[in-house]
Amino acid sequence: DGGITQSPKYLFRKEGQNVTLSCEQNLNHDAMYWYRQDPGQGLRLIYYSQIVNDFQKGDIAEGYSVSREKKESFPLTVTSAQKNPTAFYLCASYQLGGAYGYTFGSGTRLTVV
Amino acid sequence: AQKVTQAQTEISVVEKEDVTLDCVYETRDTTYYLFWYKQPPSGELVFLIRRNSFDEQNEISGRYSWNFQKSTSSFNFTITASQVVDSAVYFCALSEARGNYGQNFVFGPGTRLSVLP
Repeated sequence: DGGITQSPKYLFRKEGQNVTLSCEQNLNHDAMYWYRQDPGQGLRLIYYSQIVNDFQKGDIAEGYSVSREKKESFPLTVTSAQKNPTAFYLCASYQLGGAYGYTFGSGTRLTVV
Repeated sequence: AQKVTQAQTEISVVEKEDVTLDCVYETRDTTYYLFWYKQPPSGELVFLIRRNSFDEQNEISGRYSWNFQKSTSSFNFTITASQVVDSAVYFCALSEARGNYGQNFVFGPGTRLSVLP
């Protein structure tokens, strides 16, 4: 079955550490996105990529970095510069020009300990 | 700037009741898309519907129906005869209609629906 796989489901980070969240899709979608969700809030865009080797900052990119070396993969690194990283992170993909909305992964819950 | 408002933070209903989730949007675009997503406790957002701004016909899919009114910038979602499995957070979203969502895909804050047995 086609879909998006995010791993791990739960992640714990010590202060000062960088961590990388994985996002892989086998839908052959062009575009991929990273969102952050905080309790009681909507989704906020961190980064997005519409083509391999290219990506754009979203509304809250500070303290995060991404890469898009392969069409199917869009990992997100939460750096030590992100002061409040505890949140639920969702990855999504979309076929440009497609008739439907995003396809989402099941998310990664990151907690700073 | 685009904005989506979901004024209802949380709603609780008893099973079999009908419930309407409100969504009001703001955009300067004349062509845009509106969406509803469901987020069950598992966390994954599930696509429910996409509506083009030129199509104001109401849509019905089983127990779900959507009322799009451009005059009031609203895209409300009704669940008829609610069931416990409908318990989730529901998000309304807005995007420009260029087939290139990028930064212009805006989510509302979500409405948490609890359906009690």
